[in-house]
Amino acid sequence: GEDVEQSLFLSVREGDSSVINCTYTDSSSTYLYWYKQEPGAGLQLLTYIFSNMDMKQDQRLTVLLNKKDKHLSLRIADTQTGDSAIYFCAENSGGYQKVTFGTGTKLQVIP
Amino acid sequence: DAEITQSPRHKITETGRQVTLACHQTWNHNNMFWYRQDLGHGLRLIHYSYGVHDTNKGEVSDGYSVSRSNTEDLPLTLESAASSQTSVYFCASSESLRQAPDTQYFGPGTRLTVL
Repeated sequence: GEDVEQSLFLSVREGDSSVINCTYTDSSSTYLYWYKQEPGAGLQLLTYIFSNMDMKQDQRLTVLLNKKDKHLSLRIADTQTGDSAIYFCAENSGGYQKVTFGTGTKLQVIP
Repeated sequence: DAEITQSPRHKITETGRQVTLACHQTWNHNNMFWYRQDLGHGLRLIHYSYGVHDTNKGEVSDGYSVSRSNTEDLPLTLESAASSQTSVYFCASSESLRQAPDTQYFGPGTRLTVL
Protein backbone atom coordinates (compact mmCIF):
# COMPACT_ATOMS: atom_id res chain seq x y z
CA GLY A 1 0.00 0.00 0.00
CA GLU A 2 0.89 3.64 -0.20
CA ASP A 3 2.71 5.36 2.67
CA VAL A 4 2.44 9.10 3.18
CA GLU A 5 4.85 10.08 5.92
CA GLN A 6 5.03 13.05 8.24
CA SER A 7 6.81 13.84 11.45
CA LEU A 8 4.50 13.40 14.42
CA PHE A 9 5.07 16.61 16.31
CA LEU A 10 6.15 20.24 15.79
CA SER A 11 6.37 23.00 18.38
CA VAL A 12 6.74 26.70 17.47
CA ARG A 13 6.42 30.03 19.22
CA GLU A 14 3.54 32.34 18.43
CA GLY A 15 4.51 34.71 15.62
CA ASP A 16 7.14 32.40 14.14
CA SER A 17 6.73 30.47 10.90
CA SER A 18 5.82 26.78 10.97
CA VAL A 19 6.91 24.34 8.30
CA ILE A 20 5.24 20.95 8.16
CA ASN A 21 6.78 18.38 5.84
CA CYS A 22 5.39 15.35 4.07
CA THR A 23 6.74 12.70 1.72
CA TYR A 24 4.37 10.83 -0.52
CA THR A 25 4.76 7.81 -2.73
CA ASP A 26 2.50 7.97 -5.77
CA SER A 27 4.05 10.03 -8.55
CA SER A 28 0.78 9.84 -10.51
CA SER A 29 -1.20 11.73 -7.87
CA THR A 30 -3.10 14.59 -9.47
CA TYR A 31 -3.75 16.60 -6.35
CA LEU A 32 -2.04 16.87 -3.00
CA TYR A 33 -3.91 18.18 -0.01
CA TRP A 34 -3.45 19.62 3.43
CA TYR A 35 -6.20 18.97 5.97
CA LYS A 36 -6.48 20.44 9.46
CA GLN A 37 -8.00 18.64 12.44
CA GLU A 38 -8.85 20.70 15.49
CA PRO A 39 -9.26 18.94 18.85
CA GLY A 40 -12.37 16.76 19.02
CA ALA A 41 -13.38 17.45 15.42
CA GLY A 42 -13.20 15.92 11.99
CA LEU A 43 -10.75 16.98 9.30
CA GLN A 44 -11.29 20.08 7.19
CA LEU A 45 -9.60 20.84 3.89
CA LEU A 46 -7.07 23.64 4.36
CA THR A 47 -5.59 23.88 0.88
CA TYR A 48 -4.54 21.77 -2.07
CA ILE A 49 -2.07 21.94 -4.93
CA PHE A 50 -2.32 20.56 -8.44
CA SER A 51 0.58 18.29 -9.30
CA ASN A 52 1.85 20.47 -12.15
CA MET A 53 2.44 23.38 -9.77
CA ASP A 54 5.53 24.03 -7.65
CA MET A 55 4.03 26.50 -5.23
CA LYS A 56 0.70 27.81 -4.09
CA GLN A 57 0.13 30.73 -1.72
CA ASP A 58 -3.09 31.42 0.14
CA GLN A 59 -2.85 34.23 2.70
CA ARG A 60 -0.61 32.91 5.52
CA LEU A 61 -0.28 29.50 3.91
CA THR A 62 2.37 28.50 1.37
CA VAL A 63 2.46 25.04 -0.16
CA LEU A 64 5.63 23.84 -1.85
CA LEU A 65 5.75 20.74 -4.03
CA ASN A 66 8.92 18.98 -5.14
CA LYS A 67 7.75 16.25 -7.50
CA LYS A 68 11.23 14.88 -8.10
CA ASP A 69 11.68 14.13 -4.40
CA LYS A 70 7.94 13.52 -3.76
CA HIS A 71 8.08 16.10 -1.03
CA LEU A 72 5.28 18.42 0.02
CA SER A 73 5.47 21.14 2.64
CA LEU A 74 3.08 23.55 4.31
CA ARG A 75 4.41 26.83 5.66
CA ILE A 76 2.25 28.86 8.04
CA ALA A 77 3.46 32.43 8.43
CA ASP A 78 2.95 34.33 11.69
CA THR A 79 1.68 31.22 13.47
CA GLN A 80 -1.14 31.86 15.93
CA THR A 81 -2.43 29.83 18.89
CA GLY A 82 -5.52 29.08 16.81
CA ASP A 83 -3.28 27.19 14.38
CA SER A 84 -2.67 24.51 17.01
CA ALA A 85 -4.07 21.34 15.47
CA ILE A 86 -3.10 18.16 13.69
CA TYR A 87 -2.20 18.66 10.03
CA PHE A 88 -2.56 15.84 7.53
CA CYS A 89 -1.13 15.76 4.05
CA ALA A 90 -2.91 13.55 1.54
CA GLU A 91 -2.59 12.39 -2.04
CA ASN A 92 -5.24 11.08 -4.41
CA SER A 93 -3.44 7.87 -5.20
CA GLY A 94 -5.54 5.09 -6.69
CA GLY A 95 -7.79 7.41 -8.61
CA TYR A 96 -9.13 10.89 -8.21
CA GLN A 97 -11.84 9.91 -5.75
CA LYS A 98 -9.76 7.97 -3.24
CA VAL A 99 -7.36 9.82 -0.99
CA THR A 100 -4.50 8.44 1.10
CA PHE A 101 -3.75 10.38 4.26
CA GLY A 102 -0.47 10.78 6.06
CA THR A 103 0.13 10.04 9.70
CA GLY A 104 -0.54 13.63 10.75
CA THR A 105 1.69 16.26 12.41
CA LYS A 106 0.56 17.75 15.69
CA LEU A 107 1.42 21.47 15.73
CA GLN A 108 1.75 23.06 19.14
CA VAL A 109 1.93 26.87 19.27
CA ILE A 110 3.51 28.28 22.39
CA PRO A 111 2.25 31.74 23.41
CA ASP B 1 -26.98 23.90 5.36
CA ALA B 2 -25.69 20.58 4.09
CA GLU B 3 -23.80 18.52 6.61
CA ILE B 4 -22.48 15.11 7.54
CA THR B 5 -23.39 13.62 10.91
CA GLN B 6 -22.31 10.56 12.84
CA SER B 7 -23.98 8.72 15.67
CA PRO B 8 -23.36 7.86 18.35
CA ARG B 9 -20.50 10.24 19.20
CA HIS B 10 -19.27 7.91 21.93
CA LYS B 11 -19.85 4.19 22.36
CA ILE B 12 -18.58 1.62 24.84
CA THR B 13 -19.20 -2.02 24.02
CA GLU B 14 -17.96 -5.46 24.95
CA THR B 15 -15.82 -7.86 23.00
CA GLY B 16 -17.88 -10.04 20.66
CA ARG B 17 -20.87 -7.74 20.35
CA GLN B 18 -22.11 -6.41 17.03
CA VAL B 19 -21.90 -2.64 16.73
CA THR B 20 -23.21 -0.33 14.02
CA LEU B 21 -22.00 3.24 13.56
CA ALA B 22 -24.22 5.55 11.57
CA CYS B 23 -23.18 8.13 8.99
CA HIS B 24 -25.63 10.47 7.27
CA GLN B 25 -24.84 13.20 4.76
CA THR B 26 -27.12 15.77 3.19
CA TRP B 27 -24.63 16.93 0.54
CA ASN B 28 -26.07 14.46 -1.97
CA HIS B 29 -22.54 13.21 -2.56
CA ASN B 30 -21.92 10.00 -4.47
CA ASN B 31 -18.77 9.04 -2.59
CA MET B 32 -18.66 8.04 1.07
CA PHE B 33 -15.77 6.76 3.16
CA TRP B 34 -15.08 5.28 6.58
CA TYR B 35 -11.71 5.81 8.28
CA ARG B 36 -10.26 4.94 11.64
CA GLN B 37 -7.79 7.21 13.37
CA ASP B 38 -5.12 5.77 15.63
CA LEU B 39 -2.04 7.38 17.11
CA GLY B 40 0.96 6.86 14.87
CA HIS B 41 -1.14 5.59 11.97
CA GLY B 42 -3.06 8.68 10.94
CA LEU B 43 -6.25 7.93 9.05
CA ARG B 44 -6.67 4.50 7.53
CA LEU B 45 -9.40 3.68 5.07
CA ILE B 46 -11.80 0.93 6.12
CA HIS B 47 -14.46 0.86 3.38
CA TYR B 48 -15.72 3.21 0.72
CA SER B 49 -18.62 3.56 -1.67
CA TYR B 50 -18.92 5.36 -5.00
CA GLY B 51 -22.71 5.16 -5.12
CA VAL B 52 -25.84 3.27 -4.13
CA HIS B 53 -25.23 -0.48 -3.86
CA ASP B 54 -21.49 0.01 -4.44
CA THR B 55 -19.04 -0.89 -1.66
CA ASN B 56 -15.29 -1.45 -1.68
CA LYS B 57 -12.71 -2.62 0.83
CA GLY B 58 -10.04 -0.28 2.09
CA GLU B 59 -6.70 -1.13 3.62
CA VAL B 60 -8.06 -2.23 7.03
CA SER B 61 -11.43 -3.79 6.19
CA ASP B 62 -11.15 -7.06 8.16
CA GLY B 63 -13.88 -7.27 10.81
CA TYR B 64 -15.94 -4.44 9.27
CA SER B 65 -18.77 -4.28 6.76
CA VAL B 66 -20.82 -1.55 5.09
CA SER B 67 -23.92 -1.33 2.95
CA ARG B 68 -25.20 1.52 0.78
CA SER B 69 -28.95 1.36 0.22
CA ASN B 70 -29.40 5.08 -0.45
CA THR B 71 -27.28 8.14 -1.25
CA GLU B 72 -27.39 9.65 2.23
CA ASP B 73 -26.29 6.79 4.51
CA LEU B 74 -23.31 4.47 4.88
CA PRO B 75 -23.54 2.54 8.17
CA LEU B 76 -20.41 0.75 9.39
CA THR B 77 -20.90 -2.57 11.18
CA LEU B 78 -18.42 -4.34 13.40
CA GLU B 79 -19.60 -7.93 13.22
CA SER B 80 -17.90 -9.08 16.43
CA ALA B 81 -16.13 -6.23 18.18
CA ALA B 82 -12.52 -6.75 19.25
CA SER B 83 -10.34 -4.65 21.54
CA SER B 84 -8.12 -3.84 18.53
CA GLN B 85 -11.09 -1.97 17.08
CA THR B 86 -11.01 0.60 19.87
CA SER B 87 -10.47 3.79 17.88
CA VAL B 88 -11.98 7.03 16.63
CA TYR B 89 -14.02 6.47 13.48
CA PHE B 90 -14.61 9.16 10.86
CA CYS B 91 -17.05 9.17 8.03
CA ALA B 92 -16.47 11.40 5.00
CA SER B 93 -18.17 12.19 1.71
CA SER B 94 -17.19 13.81 -1.57
CA GLU B 95 -18.57 14.61 -4.98
CA SER B 96 -17.21 13.08 -8.15
CA LEU B 97 -15.68 16.08 -9.85
CA ARG B 98 -13.31 14.84 -12.50
CA GLN B 99 -12.08 18.34 -13.28
CA ALA B 100 -11.43 19.54 -9.75
CA PRO B 101 -9.86 18.34 -6.51
CA ASP B 102 -12.16 15.91 -4.75
CA THR B 103 -12.55 17.57 -1.37
CA GLN B 104 -13.68 15.22 1.37
CA TYR B 105 -16.08 16.52 4.02
CA PHE B 106 -15.72 14.84 7.38
CA GLY B 107 -18.15 14.05 10.13
CA PRO B 108 -17.32 14.85 13.78
CA GLY B 109 -16.20 11.30 14.57
CA THR B 110 -17.32 8.44 16.82
CA ARG B 111 -15.11 7.34 19.69
CA LEU B 112 -15.54 3.58 20.14
CA THR B 113 -14.18 1.68 23.11
CA VAL B 114 -14.27 -2.12 23.12
CA LEU B 115 -13.76 -3.64 26.57
